[in-house]
Amino acid sequence: GQNIDQPTEMTATEGAIVQINCTYQTSGFNGLFWYQQHAGEAPTFLSYNVLDGLEEKGRFSSFLSRSKGYSYLLLKELQMKDSASYLCAVIDSNYQLIWGAGTKLIIKP
Amino acid sequence: TAGITQAPTSQILAAGRSMTLRCTQDMRHNAMYWYRQDLGLGLRLIHYSNTAGTTGKGEVPDGYSVSRANTDDFPLTLASAVPSQTSVYFCASSVTGGNQPQHFGDGTRLSIL
Repeated sequence: GQNIDQPTEMTATEGAIVQINCTYQTSGFNGLFWYQQHAGEAPTFLSYNVLDGLEEKGRFSSFLSRSKGYSYLLLKELQMKDSASYLCAVIDSNYQLIWGAGTKLIIKP
Repeated sequence: TAGITQAPTSQILAAGRSMTLRCTQDMRHNAMYWYRQDLGLGLRLIHYSNTAGTTGKGEVPDGYSVSRANTDDFPLTLASAVPSQTSVYFCASSVTGGNQPQHFGDGTRLSIL
């Protein structure tokens, strides 16, 4: 079966750095997305990785290792508004999106 | 503002009743999707449409139907609601299917009693 694993919940301190991991086992791979979802709101697109390596976009960076079936989202200079769930999603060989259950990130002052 | 509009925002429905959740996008995206999101689970695809006039089944299609008469609209119908269909429903669209990022509506919170 297809599976995406993310930690259920993480806690970090305002101003710090946090890394949210995602491991996947899917039938094929055609890319990986990270989305942010604030409580009670819609998911919003953060990043897309299809090649190995690091993609940097402001305070957020996303890394991919296809050989390891692994990605992480790195958030720097954490702000209170970063408190949200972060969803990892993989595009499989049929170009269907497989979603992880999400990681709830709690930022403390 | 361009985007996806879902209606209603929330609804309480008696079991056995039918209901249509509406979804309209004005971005001229070809692909549209319906997901349900339940606590502790990832988004699960119900149905999708890669272009107007075509639809496909996702991971959890039973009890739901869709139509795609034009590019903008993608309604989701529950023919005879059951309590297990209590969930938050999100409509999404993308320029095309495949590896394009999806843009989501604000969701419909549906409770079946």
